[in-house]
Amino acid sequence: AQSVAQPEDQVNVAEGNPLTVKCTYSVSGNPYLFWYVQYPNRGLQFLLKYITGDNLVKGSYGFEAEFNKSQTSFHLKKPSALVSDSALYFCAVGTNAGKSTFGDGTTLTVKP
Amino acid sequence: DAGVIQSPRHEVTEMGQEVTLRCKPISGHDYLFWYRQTMMRGLELLIYFNNNVPIDDSGMPEDRFSAKMPNASFSTLKIQPSEPRDSAVYFCASSFSNSPLHFGNGTRLTVT
Repeated sequence: AQSVAQPEDQVNVAEGNPLTVKCTYSVSGNPYLFWYVQYPNRGLQFLLKYITGDNLVKGSYGFEAEFNKSQTSFHLKKPSALVSDSALYFCAVGTNAGKSTFGDGTTLTVKP
Repeated sequence: DAGVIQSPRHEVTEMGQEVTLRCKPISGHDYLFWYRQTMMRGLELLIYFNNNVPIDDSGMPEDRFSAKMPNASFSTLKIQPSEPRDSAVYFCASSFSNSPLHFGNGTRLTVT
């Protein structure tokens, strides 16, 4: 069985400040890890993924995520938040892209 | 690349009616997924196909739900008869092998 937890329903940050959206996972074997973003009335959009290689993964729109095997975490980060980053963020885990399990999502609000 | 195309964007129907949701995946993608999103249950995987063959339908809630993929460029999700608790946003997504998912913009279904 595989599962993913996003412990925070909401994250609020001021524009220009760094942001972190947390994700922990549980999976048998080597994990495939993904972050997606969802804007209102739209489908999820892929941000970045970790499958193998460097633990620090860089993705779209200046986002990055760090894979930590010992802590089974894959937190999403950005050095300087923009108001336009406000959206719903999903972490997903799986052993192949077909059976990815999604977290419940975290609403990020960036205030001017 | 037009992306994953879903139709209709909105569907309002009365309880007991048949509802058909449609999806055109990205050309060349060999996986197709149907998800349902609600506030209460989050994002749920209903069924997915590989090369037009259903692989896992364990997420389909009841026999009232059925999905088909007659060819590589088209899939349908049918609910017959529909019930108010089926009200949700239904997403179709496609991918190639183990690449990230590409989501459509969803169909918002309201059953009165």
